[in-house]
Amino acid sequence: EPEVTQTPSHQVTQMGQEVILRCVPISNHLYFYWYRQILGQKVEFLVSFYNNEISEKSEIFDDQFSVERPDGSNFTLKIRSTKLEDSAMYFCASSSTGYSNQPQHFGDGTRLSIL
Amino acid sequence: SQKIEQNSEALNIQEGKTATLTCNYTNYSPAYLQWYRQDPGRGPVFLLLIRENEKEKRKERLKVTFDTTLKQSLFHITASQPADSATYLCALDVSSARQLTFGSGTQLTVLP
Repeated sequence: EPEVTQTPSHQVTQMGQEVILRCVPISNHLYFYWYRQILGQKVEFLVSFYNNEISEKSEIFDDQFSVERPDGSNFTLKIRSTKLEDSAMYFCASSSTGYSNQPQHFGDGTRLSIL
Repeated sequence: SQKIEQNSEALNIQEGKTATLTCNYTNYSPAYLQWYRQDPGRGPVFLLLIRENEKEKRKERLKVTFDTTLKQSLFHITASQPADSATYLCALDVSSARQLTFGSGTQLTVLP
């Protein structure tokens, strides 16, 4: 069964450094998402992306964050200047359409640790 | 503000029994409600989706009900097995189809 893959599985970065998290969504899916989960807390929406544009974003997704689809397969999340509170699991997801009747398929996440 | 609550943080049951998990929401009328499973260190895995006009949906040992009057969904696992032990999340499209809002999850442990 097709799956969403994320790399790296664990990223350790010094505070203030830039970090790029990578995802390969399911190949025929059109909508892409990033979520994060701080340890012991809920999964929280960050951003959705369609047709090379941000479709929606949450309050968490401030100017320090950006997303990009640099080629036909990858989808990246960049955090420009990391803060301690950015430490979390970051999940990429994709769906075939942007309608509510379609599930989102999640990768296994990147654990980001900010020192 | 919208709120999604899942009945308890942890639920322990004996193998072979039926597990029932609850998801309640307020201040919102979703068209769809989804249930996901999350294992430690892994991403959520989609299980079932139910529409507002469906009372019940089944898939193998799983059953979901959706009561829009009570603003509640129940998730049942029948003939539970230790392999069913995981955290179960309900999710709604609170503000948009492209933005799932998750509950905090119920950690289910099935004891052999």
